[in-house]
Amino acid sequence: QVTLKESGPVLVKPTETLTLTCTVSGFSLSNARMGVSWIRQPPGKALEWLAHIFSNDEKSYSTSLKSRLTISKDTSKSQVVLTMTNMDPVDTATYYCARTYMTTVTYADYWGQGTLVTVSS
Amino acid sequence: DIQMTQSPSSLSASVGDRVTITCRASQSISSYLNWYQQKPGKAPKLLIYAASSLQSGVPSRFSGSGSGTDFTLTISSLQPEDFATYYCQQSYSTFTFGPGTKVDIK
Repeated sequence: QVTLKESGPVLVKPTETLTLTCTVSGFSLSNARMGVSWIRQPPGKALEWLAHIFSNDEKSYSTSLKSRLTISKDTSKSQVVLTMTNMDPVDTATYYCARTYMTTVTYADYWGQGTLVTVSS
Repeated sequence: DIQMTQSPSSLSASVGDRVTITCRASQSISSYLNWYQQKPGKAPKLLIYAASSLQSGVPSRFSGSGSGTDFTLTISSLQPEDFATYYCQQSYSTFTFGPGTKVDIK
């Protein structure tokens, strides 16, 4: 079955760089119809899409956060990595990775459980 | 960037009620619209994709409609497990989520 699991630090200090890893199983990151997105959700607030990587390694980023984000994948390890630089307390959130499936539209059909990242000194 | 709005931001309803949530895009997105349900402490769950296609395993009381800029999610008869927050998401140009609609018990 398809699963995704986020891993990374639970606490980072302001100005530090956050590195999160999404380890997937049950599908291949080289499948042409599939990609992975990162989405975050501050406590009590709405979902915010951050970045996406396609099977062909094409990447897309949130316009507002583009300068701080980098997404990459290691197909052999079934992992997708998101880095976010210059972390701030407002970046405190639950970070999710999700598989995206492309048909006539693209949608996130499987999600990880999420990992809460707190930014504090 | 394409902006998404939802209305209402919250609503109170009773079991058995028909519930309709509206989502609007800042420009035409054809049918590139998905709906998700999220319960507290849980990851979102895909309900509807391509504006009106029901995801496998999702009860048929959920339905979606619309195209262009205006979309609706309808729950035909609200069940206790449907109390949650609902988000629309466009995938026409990268991805954007709406602000969410919280459905709680009246």
